Amino acid sequence: DAGVIQSPRHEVTEMGQEVTLRCKPISGHDYLFWYRQTMMRGLELLIYFNNNVPIDDSGMPEDRFSAKMPNASFSTLKIQPSEPRDSAVYFCASSYTRGFTDTQYFGPGTRLTVL
Amino acid sequence: EDKVVQSPLSLVVHEGDTVTLNCSYEVTNFRSLLWYKQEKKAPTFLFMLTSSGIEKKSGRLSSILDKKELFSILNITATQTGDSAVYLCAVEVMVYNTDKLIFGTGTRLQVFP
Repeated sequence: DAGVIQSPRHEVTEMGQEVTLRCKPISGHDYLFWYRQTMMRGLELLIYFNNNVPIDDSGMPEDRFSAKMPNASFSTLKIQPSEPRDSAVYFCASSYTRGFTDTQYFGPGTRLTVL
Repeated sequence: EDKVVQSPLSLVVHEGDTVTLNCSYEVTNFRSLLWYKQEKKAPTFLFMLTSSGIEKKSGRLSSILDKKELFSILNITATQTGDSAVYLCAVEVMVYNTDKLIFGTGTRLQVFP
């Protein structure tokens, strides 16, 4: 298996633009997680899905952020409109079952820079 | 408010030294504590701890949880330059029947030859 796949790996955009980050979890994994990492705030869980259904989105910073999982093999995290403070590395992770108590496999991350 | 605090923030040692990283937490409805190692890219899973006093061990790394005093330690013996990384501690909690994961800000370990 290729592991968790994220795209793009890097994105530089201007304030106000829409940003869409993509994630393909490991086949067969029932849980998918979106994280954000910054120097100031460390690693934060934004939202996670179980069997394509959002379970907890309380970590999503504000209404500008939205996430979808239309099927078991694809998820998106969208920021609209983007702001400079959204600059961070965004990780997607997946796990087989049991949520956090199972080993999470992280993707390589998307480094987002908003100018 | 639930919080996870790691110490020290940064640590610089020489190869062969033994290090102890600390993670303390104040949360409601604790479920588990997890340790991750993050080098230049994504975090990789190290240990999951749910019971007090039971040591988890993997090679030169070991970890133990104290649910009475609300902390965990991660020990690395005979450190090597490849151990240089940020070590993240995360605590799983249950809030309104939903699992949440709260991360500490990490300890940056640098091992010099």
